[in-house]
Amino acid sequence: AQKVTQAQTEISVVEKEDVTLDCVYETRDTTYYLFWYKQPPSGELVFLIRRNSFDEQNEISGRYSWNFQKSTSSFNFTITASQVVDSAVYFCALSEAGGQTGANNLFFGTGTRLTVIP
Amino acid sequence: SQTIHQWPATLVQPVGSPLSLECTVEGTSNPNLYWYRQAAGRGLQLLFYSVGIGQISSEVPQNLSASRPQDRQFILSSKKLLLSDSGFYLCAWSGKQGINQPQHFGDGTRLSIL
Repeated sequence: AQKVTQAQTEISVVEKEDVTLDCVYETRDTTYYLFWYKQPPSGELVFLIRRNSFDEQNEISGRYSWNFQKSTSSFNFTITASQVVDSAVYFCALSEAGGQTGANNLFFGTGTRLTVIP
Repeated sequence: SQTIHQWPATLVQPVGSPLSLECTVEGTSNPNLYWYRQAAGRGLQLLFYSVGIGQISSEVPQNLSASRPQDRQFILSSKKLLLSDSGFYLCAWSGKQGINQPQHFGDGTRLSIL
């Protein structure tokens, strides 16, 4: 089963609209971390935010905000007043404490492609 | 500050030819290293990871292999490329301080197999 589900494959919005990208995760661990990455057309993945399983406070960074709700296993990402530069593929990822590999492997969702139309 | 370099940026190879993609990290020591593949329009697939020199773990059986000859060098190889090996290959590193460590990615290599 998918550990991280991003049900929205593609979203298009008009510039200045708000948009929310959904992320639902599945884990049996009580300690875990959630991440969001942005992949612009150039291809590199850019780390945006990390949130641990014990901190449910919402976070805001400029036009970006994140809503973490353990009750629904969701970690949604909202962009306010979207801009053309926000056009990218956005990935949600999960890191679990249960792994004993020595590496902090991330489970990525399949990504949501956001297109902001000018 | 830490940086990660991948090369080449793009590569066009015929079926059956060998492959060598290189990734190096600067500004940190003893990182965890990762190779991912991203097929067109798809998510990230973890191929290999390494927690130290000479230590390679494979996530997906295939005709690719990885090696870590030095602490901050990670190489992805193949003896004979298949058409299905086409894709975007990303190298990443992370610290060893725990599962809270984000992975930091290189710029990627676009590999096209003809």
